[in-house]
Amino acid sequence: EAQVTQNPRYLITVTGKKLTVTCSQNMNHEYMSWYRQDPGLGLRQIYYSMNVEVTDKGDVPEGYKVSRKEKRNFPLILESPSPNQTSLYFCASSLGTSGVNEQFFGPGTRLTVL
Amino acid sequence: AQKVTQAQTEISVVEKEDVTLDCVYETRDTTYYLFWYKQPPSGELVFLIRRNSFDEQNEISGRYSWNFQKSTSSFNFTITASQVVDSAVYFCALRTGANNLFFGTGTRLTVIP
Repeated sequence: EAQVTQNPRYLITVTGKKLTVTCSQNMNHEYMSWYRQDPGLGLRQIYYSMNVEVTDKGDVPEGYKVSRKEKRNFPLILESPSPNQTSLYFCASSLGTSGVNEQFFGPGTRLTVL
Repeated sequence: AQKVTQAQTEISVVEKEDVTLDCVYETRDTTYYLFWYKQPPSGELVFLIRRNSFDEQNEISGRYSWNFQKSTSSFNFTITASQVVDSAVYFCALRTGANNLFFGTGTRLTVIP
């Protein structure tokens, strides 16, 4: 089954404790992206990757890191989480960067930083 | 700059009523794509439709229909004979030649039985 998976689905952590949210897709997609969803703000892009070893900042990259060492994986790293990073995070992938390519979204990761 | 506006934050309707969710977009690109996503209470994002800027034909899929009007930069979504299962947050989104998918802030639809 074609899908985007994220782990963990729920995470409660404390300020400053490094964490990684994993994202994996099995569709051989080139493009992957991370979004955060906050009430009243919709979804905003954090980082995206157009292919292996190619990543770039989205609209709200501060406090986050990403890597793309393999085509299927695109982990989101919070080196020193803060309470303002409490949010619902979505990973997405698409075949290419053109708008004709539908983005497939993962199930979401709900992160709480105390 | 790209922007998507969903002015309706929350809408409540009684079951079987029709409801229209508004979406207004801004872009200077001549080629772009518009999307609607549904986010049910379970939280996942469900793709509903994609429309490119060269295709202004309206589309109907069952109880769902979409009205795309470039003249007013709008891409509105109508649900006919609403059902309780339609209760969700609905997002309109815009993708241009760049890499970002710009989302509106969403409209929370509640269908009352």
